[in-house]
Amino acid sequence: QLQLLESGPGLVKPSETLSLTCSVSGDSLRGVIYYWGWIRQPPGKGLEWIGSIYSTGSSHYNPSLRSRVTISVDMSKKQFSLRVRSLTAADTAVYYCASRSETTKGFDYWGQGTLVTVSS
Amino acid sequence: DIQMTQSPSILSASVGDRVTITCRASQNIYSWLAWYQQRPGKAPKALIYEASSLESGIPSRFSGSASGTEFTLTISSLQPDDFATYYCQQYNTYPYTFGQGTKLEI
Repeated sequence: QLQLLESGPGLVKPSETLSLTCSVSGDSLRGVIYYWGWIRQPPGKGLEWIGSIYSTGSSHYNPSLRSRVTISVDMSKKQFSLRVRSLTAADTAVYYCASRSETTKGFDYWGQGTLVTVSS
Repeated sequence: DIQMTQSPSILSASVGDRVTITCRASQNIYSWLAWYQQRPGKAPKALIYEASSLESGIPSRFSGSASGTEFTLTISSLQPDDFATYYCQQYNTYPYTFGQGTKLEI
């Protein structure tokens, strides 16, 4: 059973860069290729997939955000991270990190989410 | 992008009712569809994967099915804990996309 926990600032100014980290626990994380993802949810709205990364480093991004987003992984620290550049108010959302335990599944493990507000 | 269209957006029901939520994909996604339940202020919780496989620990009153590009989530007998918002998600093609959600209310 994996546990995921997001960390990062709750308030960021417009035009700045958001950096979030997801810390993973509850498994040795060795010998298996893991698949991680970031999903966000603006207040009162639906879910949007931001991007995903394998523990090998191979990544995929939502084209709507690709120019501003970077996802990285550091398995030695049991963490993966999200950076979003050039923030606007439209980036205000709860950001979730998630994991897929098998290739046939969707995201079966989720962090609790962290609210990020973009405001001056 | 593959569009996922859920219906209805809001569903009113009572404890003990049988309810069905539908999700239609704009393209063939085979069976690569998941269903999630989200309660207010909480993270989504995975219910179903590969269109009809039940996640571990999920009650058997939840079931999923597929016919072509139309997918359904059925709750056979609603319990008080089931009143929440439900989302479908396709993971056949990048970018992964979610339905807009179905709010199940009393």
